[in-house]
Formats: sequence, C-alpha cells, structure tokens
Amino acid sequence: ETGVTQTPRHLVMGMTNKKSLKCEQHLGHNAMYWYKQSAKKPLELMFVYSLEERVENNSVPSRFSPECPNSSHLFLHLHTLQPEDSALYLCASSQEYTDTQYFGPGTRLTVL
Amino acid sequence: AQTVTQSQPEMSVQEAETVTLSCTYDTSESDYYLFWYKQPPSRQMILVIRQEAYKQQNATENRFSVNFQKAAKSFSLKISDSQLGDAAMYFCAYRSSYGKLTFGQGTILTVHP
Repeated sequence: ETGVTQTPRHLVMGMTNKKSLKCEQHLGHNAMYWYKQSAKKPLELMFVYSLEERVENNSVPSRFSPECPNSSHLFLHLHTLQPEDSALYLCASSQEYTDTQYFGPGTRLTVL
Repeated sequence: AQTVTQSQPEMSVQEAETVTLSCTYDTSESDYYLFWYKQPPSRQMILVIRQEAYKQQNATENRFSVNFQKAAKSFSLKISDSQLGDAAMYFCAYRSSYGKLTFGQGTILTVHP
C-alpha cells in the first residue's frame, strides 16, 4: 500500500450503531487530519493530530470521537449519528502540521 | 478568519483547449500557501499545484499553471491542452502559516471531446 488509505470505502449505519473509520498513511508523516465533505459545502476540518496529540478540534459533536494510536494510524469512532452526518469523510496526512496535505480516497458514510 | 471563494460553480472546456479557474481569498497574513486540489469522480483528492506567497514567480506543473496576484488576493489555475482526464471538481485552498487549510466551494470542470 502506498499513500493514504481509508477503510471502509462505503458504510451504511443506523442511528444507534457504533462504527469506526480507519485511516493509514504510508508516507512517514507526523500529522493526520479528518475532514467532512458534504454536498454543496466546502470541506470542513474536523480534527488534527500532530505527533499523536490532538492539536485542533473544530467544534465537532461528541458523537464523533477521534483516536490516533501512532503516527501512521487515525481512527474516527462513530456512535448515535444523525442522518445529517451522512457525508464523505476524508483523511489526510502531512510531513509536519504546516506542510502540504495528501488525502486518502475517503469513506462514503450514509446514516439511515 | 481566512475565506476562500471560487465564483464559478461549473466550467466547461473543449479537449485540447485552455481553461482558467478563478479563486480569490481573504487574509491579513503575509506568509501563507495556496493550493489547487483536484477531486475526480473516484473522490480521491489529488494535489495539483502549490504556491508559496513569498514567491513572486507563478508555479507551474506540466500543463497546469497559476496566476498568483498577491495584492489582489487572486489565485487562478490555468489548464492548457485540456484532456478528458482533467474532468473533476477543483478546489482552491489556503493554508495559513500556522497550518490550518481552508477550502473554497469547488468548481466542477467538464471536458468535452
């Protein structure tokens, strides 16, 4: 695997389910990001981790819980989501927090 | 707060022709970076080109070039010799000196054969 990978690519879940999105970067980067991309809206930055520490949390509801166990992996734990949370969730990484970001293919999430 | 505006929701171009996508931004900073990302139907966001604000020379990457006007806070992308594979959503993005990346709303580019 090369670059930034995300699994699963598609996810359908009910509002009472608990699921997790996984992101893995194979670039040796130190910073990782979660973005939400909804239809007709600009990408929204959700969380930033630099050297495994969360450095930014942009007023994201607590039903989204990030986890960064090491510099190569980033998770987004989901529970009791709402239909309006349906979106494409993109992961990105960069060498340092201030460097160019490289994106994964995204997870298309549908909340029923 | 920084804002990025792409005023063209959709653009189209004939294959082999040239097209320019517009982007303006608002900032009070003097040191920053600007990017164009491409998102094809596969949804993978791909970096097209990057410009450092302190560089006066416009960045180029093969058929892709930018027209960076710092005083006017304008950052347009020119695609020369357009190809069918260029069809995608294009996002302009601004990155502040402390790292946060802000995206525009995107421009859908259609390439006609």
